[in-house]
Amino acid sequence: KAGVTQTPRYLIKTRGQQVTLSCSPISGHRSVSWYQQTPGQGLQFLFEYFSETQRNKGNFPGRFSGRQFSNSRSEMNVSTLELGDSALYLCASSSGGRYGYTFGSGTRLTVV
Amino acid sequence: GQQVMQIPQYQHVQEGEDFTTYCNSSTTLSNIQWYKQRPGGHPVFLIQLVKSGEVKKQKRLTFQFGEAKKNSSLHITATQTTDVGTYFCAGHSGGGADGLTFGKGTHLIIQP
Repeated sequence: KAGVTQTPRYLIKTRGQQVTLSCSPISGHRSVSWYQQTPGQGLQFLFEYFSETQRNKGNFPGRFSGRQFSNSRSEMNVSTLELGDSALYLCASSSGGRYGYTFGSGTRLTVV
Repeated sequence: GQQVMQIPQYQHVQEGEDFTTYCNSSTTLSNIQWYKQRPGGHPVFLIQLVKSGEVKKQKRLTFQFGEAKKNSSLHITATQTTDVGTYFCAGHSGGGADGLTFGKGTHLIIQP
């Protein structure tokens, strides 16, 4: 079956702009999580959605937001971009239980 | 908040040598997961441990979960070049109600 699909793969934005990233989970997975990965901070949890409801939120400013649609697809939005937002943004879906999370290939965001 | 520490940060080994990475959490974990990320890739789920003192094996990989459910280790016997990558541990606390917290990973570098 198809894996987790993230679009776009690469993005270059200017400081102050906003950006929307998209994630299509594995069919049947109702849980979608987002992570920010940087060389300095590693993998940091942003938020998790389950059945269109935000279940958990990490320690990120309110400029970072997300949502999940009825088909489990998810989007995350970052407003008023800062240089420090440059990172690989990873989406992961899960069916729960002992199978862990399946990650997408990520969106590489560069803020200039 | 919950912190997951992982050591060492980097490990250089000769092909055929063994490798171990250690993970320690500041809080008791409901479960611990291990992921592998190849250079330029995304994290791939390896295994989940749930029970205190649990030991699981996958071919040359041995995973352990501590008795207090606050530490874990991954041991690779007789490393091969295909083992190159970064190994992450990640834990849920709060009965799984919190987001997954990742360690910063151990980069395994293998010299042929």
